[in-house]
Amino acid sequence: GQQVKQSSPSLTVQEGGILILNCDYENDMFDYFAWYKKYPDNSPTLLISVRSNVDKREDGRFTVFLNKSGKHFSLHITASQPEDTAVYLCAAGANTGANTGKLTFGHGTILRVHP
Amino acid sequence: DMKVTQMPRYLIKRMGENVLLECGQDMSHETMYWYRQDPGLGLQLIYISYDVDSNSEGDIPKGYRVSRKKREHFSLILDSAKTNQTSVYFCASSLSGLGYAEQFFGPGTRLTVL
Repeated sequence: GQQVKQSSPSLTVQEGGILILNCDYENDMFDYFAWYKKYPDNSPTLLISVRSNVDKREDGRFTVFLNKSGKHFSLHITASQPEDTAVYLCAAGANTGANTGKLTFGHGTILRVHP
Repeated sequence: DMKVTQMPRYLIKRMGENVLLECGQDMSHETMYWYRQDPGLGLQLIYISYDVDSNSEGDIPKGYRVSRKKREHFSLILDSAKTNQTSVYFCASSLSGLGYAEQFFGPGTRLTVL
């Protein structure tokens, strides 16, 4: 089964709005959670990440919330801008044994921000 | 200028031919990765390399093998390519094998197998 799942394949918002991207996971051992951003025909780049010892991390307009009991984490973007239009990939990893260093990615959410 | 490079950027091969995809990084990163990305499927890990000659299978290793003889260089080999291996292949590197290290991705190689 899919270990990391993004429920929304796509999302469209107006410029200036607040948006939330969601990610659910199955593996209890995951202790690192990240959001990568990818423009078309470009490579993914890390946007923000959090370890399991905190439930929130903020970086400018971007905040990641972690709900370990619900096996869920989300990316909140405030004051959305057309430049935020991209594919957002959530990822999770477990730093144990044979899985050390491996990230499992979701299928991605295509975000479009209209001016 | 720290970066991950991939060669070639575009490649067309016929079914049954051998394919060599090359990846390099100039950041002295220990760990390197090969992923493939298909529409609607996100990034799937093919192989991970923790250092020279220290490679481990990812989630979809079948049909692929890798080689890492120098820390800065990681190759993906397809022996007898199949049409279902048509995809975009991304290489990445990270400072260490610990799961908390940011992964830096190359520009990707678009492979078409006819």
